[in-house]
Amino acid sequence: ETGVTQSPTHLIKTRGQQVTLRCSSQSGHNTVSWYQQALGQGPQFIFQYYREEENGRGNFPPRFSGLQFPNYSSELNVNALELDDSALYLCASSHIDWTEAFFGQGTRLTVV
Amino acid sequence: AQTVTQSQPEMSVQEAETVTLSCTYDTSESDYYLFWYKQPPSRQMILVIRQEAYKQQNATENRFSVNFQKAAKSFSLKISDSQLGDAAMYFCASVSGNQFYFGTGTSLTVIP
Repeated sequence: ETGVTQSPTHLIKTRGQQVTLRCSSQSGHNTVSWYQQALGQGPQFIFQYYREEENGRGNFPPRFSGLQFPNYSSELNVNALELDDSALYLCASSHIDWTEAFFGQGTRLTVV
Repeated sequence: AQTVTQSQPEMSVQEAETVTLSCTYDTSESDYYLFWYKQPPSRQMILVIRQEAYKQQNATENRFSVNFQKAAKSFSLKISDSQLGDAAMYFCASVSGNQFYFGTGTSLTVIP
């Protein structure tokens, strides 16, 4: 078991709504990354936060935004939800040098 | 950008036998890391094994070992003495900079 926890585990939202997903990082880690995993696919990089600053972003629109807090936990916010946003959202907690990298159990988001 | 290719969508192995999962990657980076993650139906990405590209020695973790061929950009995972609990989706990933690049996964079935 890792110390990376995500909440909630499941979520159902209506198209156009907004959602906030949360991730607690492993003790001692200073970096959190978020990934979107569509059914049957490998995870795709959304963005990374390092010491409370965005440190890189994948090919996702601005309605995907995030925060990292002083305790290195993080939030992923998605505005104006679309049906295609339905996926498993994973957060990864790591050192910036990748000596360790652990994932949370994911949040399954369904947009109807 | 980096690409990771897993050419075996599905593999099966008899319990107690050995199986090898293939992975190739493409990167222009000189400093990178390679990982294998296991994702059971519970969804959590579980770290199986990690390899630093600058190390020639192949990583080993109990029944799991890798065959890292840097020149060929190949990073295969060998599972020895397969157990029923090894059944899962296995993802190969490379890391450079601020993100993981994942393959599309190999679904491993363990036959009792």
